[in-house]
Amino acid sequence: DVKVTQSSRYLVKRTGEKVFLECVQDMDHENMFWYRQDPGLGLRLIYFSYDVKMKEKGDIPEGYSVSREKKERFSLILESASTNQTSMYLCASSLWAGNGYTFGSGTRLTVV
Amino acid sequence: TQLLEQSPQFLSIQEGENLTVYCNSSSVFSSLQWYRQEPGEGPVLLVTVVTGGEVKKLKRLTFQFGDARKDSSLHITAAQPGDTGLYLCAGDGSGNTGKLIFGQGTTLQVKP
Repeated sequence: DVKVTQSSRYLVKRTGEKVFLECVQDMDHENMFWYRQDPGLGLRLIYFSYDVKMKEKGDIPEGYSVSREKKERFSLILESASTNQTSMYLCASSLWAGNGYTFGSGTRLTVV
Repeated sequence: TQLLEQSPQFLSIQEGENLTVYCNSSSVFSSLQWYRQEPGEGPVLLVTVVTGGEVKKLKRLTFQFGDARKDSSLHITAAQPGDTGLYLCAGDGSGNTGKLIFGQGTTLQVKP
């Protein structure tokens, strides 16, 4: 069964901490994405990557960075966590957009 | 900017009732997908429609792509509590960006 695995289901971090969210896919997909999901705001794209070492800003990249050193792994980094980054974070991968995304189970991050 | 608008945003019905969720845009999409997301989990792809006028069935769920490929609908017959969740439509837009455009979602609650 193909999978996108996010390293943590729940995280609690303090304001100002550097936070790493990890995502691994086993489908050899080129495309990987990071979204955050908040009530009433839907899915908002933070960053995406078309290939190793390539990254593109999404709609809300401020306060975030990403790393893709290997094809299967896409990491989201919160440089200095703030309370407004409390959210559900979803990683996804795809072969191409028309083929659909496979999502991970999500990481619910709380910043206190 | 391509947008997808879903309606209704919320739907609460009794078990056994029928319902339809709509996904509309002024833009043409090369394909459109529907996802279901259960609380605390990532979205799961239900179906992809590609051809204008296409109808696909998945048990009690019927998906239709508009003739002009600008809109889609999801119809559920005899809803069951297990259908409860967030339904998202997503379109593969123009420009071969590899990114999907997501609607805001429809939250469905089916009461026993």
